[in-house]
Amino acid sequence: QKEVEQNSGPLSVPEGAIASLNCTYSDRGSQSFFWYRQYSGKSPELIMSIYSNGDKEDGRFTAQLNKASQYVSLLIRDSQPSDSATYLCAVRLTGGGNKLTFGTGTQLKVEL
Amino acid sequence: GAVVSQHPSWVICKSGTSVKIECRSLDFQATTMFWYRQFPKQSLMLMATSNEGSKATYEQGVEKDKFLINHASLTLSTLTVTSAHPEDSSFYICSARDGGKGGNIQYFGAGTRLSVL
Repeated sequence: QKEVEQNSGPLSVPEGAIASLNCTYSDRGSQSFFWYRQYSGKSPELIMSIYSNGDKEDGRFTAQLNKASQYVSLLIRDSQPSDSATYLCAVRLTGGGNKLTFGTGTQLKVEL
Repeated sequence: GAVVSQHPSWVICKSGTSVKIECRSLDFQATTMFWYRQFPKQSLMLMATSNEGSKATYEQGVEKDKFLINHASLTLSTLTVTSAHPEDSSFYICSARDGGKGGNIQYFGAGTRLSVL
């Protein structure tokens, strides 16, 4: 089992819909979780960080964390074509120090 | 968010030469920086963790003598690809950890695209 798993996609959603991106992790003791967006040919940019169970909202983005089930998700409301990118889930694993372990990313396509 | 500057953004060099890439945290002090490599259509691969004032910690399979990392100050880390070969052509990305009020978050530089001829 990979330490951080994401469905590679592509996930296609129509413009205006809600995009739901999921990530599971293997280390039950993990405490810090991050979502990054990466456009093709560019470096990742931070969207959200989440540390506690529940939901965290920032504009059109909502991160959801469920430590008991070991998953973290990202919801994008009112999806726009500009949201089309690869979304990377990152987890700070127990014993990993300060480094992040990244999933392989989910490619999101928002279609007109 | 915090700003991390990476330079150069792209470089083309001849096989056998060395290339230095700089990573600077502009508005925060970064005791820890990270160097990643990403091949087309693949995910980020952590190469090494760079700690200010100490030796870098390299991931398994990464040649420390080929990829020299220096973190001489709290705002600057450098990666030198020594004796570069075509197989070293890749997208190199640094990140800096803001351990202060930034919430222990990693912010990425814009990346350096290296092409070795």
